[in-house]
Amino acid sequence: QKEVEQDPGPLSVPEGAIVSLNCTYSNSAFQYFMWYRQYSRKGPELLMYTYSSGNKEDGRFTAQVDKSSKYISLFIRDSQPSDSATYLCAPGPHNFNKFYFGSGTKLNVKP
Amino acid sequence: KAGVTQTPRYLIKTRGQQVTLSCSPISGHRSVSWYQQTPGQGLQFLFEYFSETQRNKGNFPGRFSGRQFSNSRSEMNVSTLELGDSALYLCASSLPSGTGELFFGEGSRLTVL
Repeated sequence: QKEVEQDPGPLSVPEGAIVSLNCTYSNSAFQYFMWYRQYSRKGPELLMYTYSSGNKEDGRFTAQVDKSSKYISLFIRDSQPSDSATYLCAPGPHNFNKFYFGSGTKLNVKP
Repeated sequence: KAGVTQTPRYLIKTRGQQVTLSCSPISGHRSVSWYQQTPGQGLQFLFEYFSETQRNKGNFPGRFSGRQFSNSRSEMNVSTLELGDSALYLCASSLPSGTGELFFGEGSRLTVL
């Protein structure tokens, strides 16, 4: 079983749609749940993260963690073409700064 | 504040050669991690260095090695290159607290012919 499973997509939505991106993980000890965004030909950048369970909102983005089912989600409201990127989840850490990343979901928001 | 700098950005090597990639972390960041990114495997952890010591290692063969210098700059080396080593190699720096805030460079894209 992989440490982190993420639907690779691609996911194509019209501008203004609500987007739901999801990951599952296997290690119940994880406390930090990171979401990174990677534009084409760029390195990933941290979008947001949550600590332990619950929700966290940042503008149009909401991160949600359900530790009982080991399920993490990222919701994007009013999606924009500029949101077109690959989104990577990374629960952890395993040890210090060692993280396993999901395979990434490629999102395309059509104008 | 300058970001993470990786050099070279692109390079082409042939099988059997070796390669050295360099990473300069954000000033004040003492932890440097390396990841390999390929379309098939995604982002895979190679190793992490802190204060010139490797404190984490991923599941890669011994051909992959790294080191960190006293100024926190890091290098990784791949010897006896194979076609499958073609990938984007990403360096990330972070504070040592382990909250997972990794700051990535733009990567070094290695092509092995």
